[in-house]
Amino acid sequence: ETGVTQTPRHLVMGMTNKKSLKCEQHLGHNAMYWYKQSAKKPLELMFVYSLEERVENNSVPSRFSPECPNSSHLFLHLHTLQPEDSALYLCASSQDLRGGDTQYFGPGTRLTVL
Amino acid sequence: EDKVVQSPLSLVVHEGDTVTLNCSYEVTNFRSLLWYKQEKKAPTFLFMLTSSGIEKKSGRLSSILDKKELFSILNITATQTGDSAVYLCAVAGGGADGLTFGKGTHLIIQP
Repeated sequence: ETGVTQTPRHLVMGMTNKKSLKCEQHLGHNAMYWYKQSAKKPLELMFVYSLEERVENNSVPSRFSPECPNSSHLFLHLHTLQPEDSALYLCASSQDLRGGDTQYFGPGTRLTVL
Repeated sequence: EDKVVQSPLSLVVHEGDTVTLNCSYEVTNFRSLLWYKQEKKAPTFLFMLTSSGIEKKSGRLSSILDKKELFSILNITATQTGDSAVYLCAVAGGGADGLTFGKGTHLIIQP
């Protein structure tokens, strides 16, 4: 496998469910990101991790909880979401935070909250 | 607040035409500007620009950055239907370690 992979590709959940999104990168990168893409809105940065430590949290509600167990894997744990959280969630990675601004994206998880 | 504005938001042209997409930005501590192409999937990287006035080319696509006027353009010549996509402009800089994206330009190439 190459690049950045995400699972699942599609997810439908109720507001009381708990689910997790998974991202894996095979590029040897040190930084990973979660973005949210809603219809007709720019991509929004949610979380940034560098060498498994969170360095950025753009005031994301606590119902989204990231986890980065190692530099190749990134999770986004979801609980008690709202319908307005329905969106495409994109994971990206880059070599590092400062020197490598080129980010490579995974295919995304299309999330629908009922 | 960091801001990236793309124009036009949508554009419909015929195959063979040349198009110019615009991106203007306001960001502190600018580091780089990136262009991505997004079809019905994740964005794919096109160009990264860090220096003013140096054109980057890849086939029929080219891009240039003006750091004085704070904008970039993406040119596509001899357009093909496969060029139909949303073209995203993003800027690295400011207080965030991620990218600040514009809303994108939705380009449709008609046969």
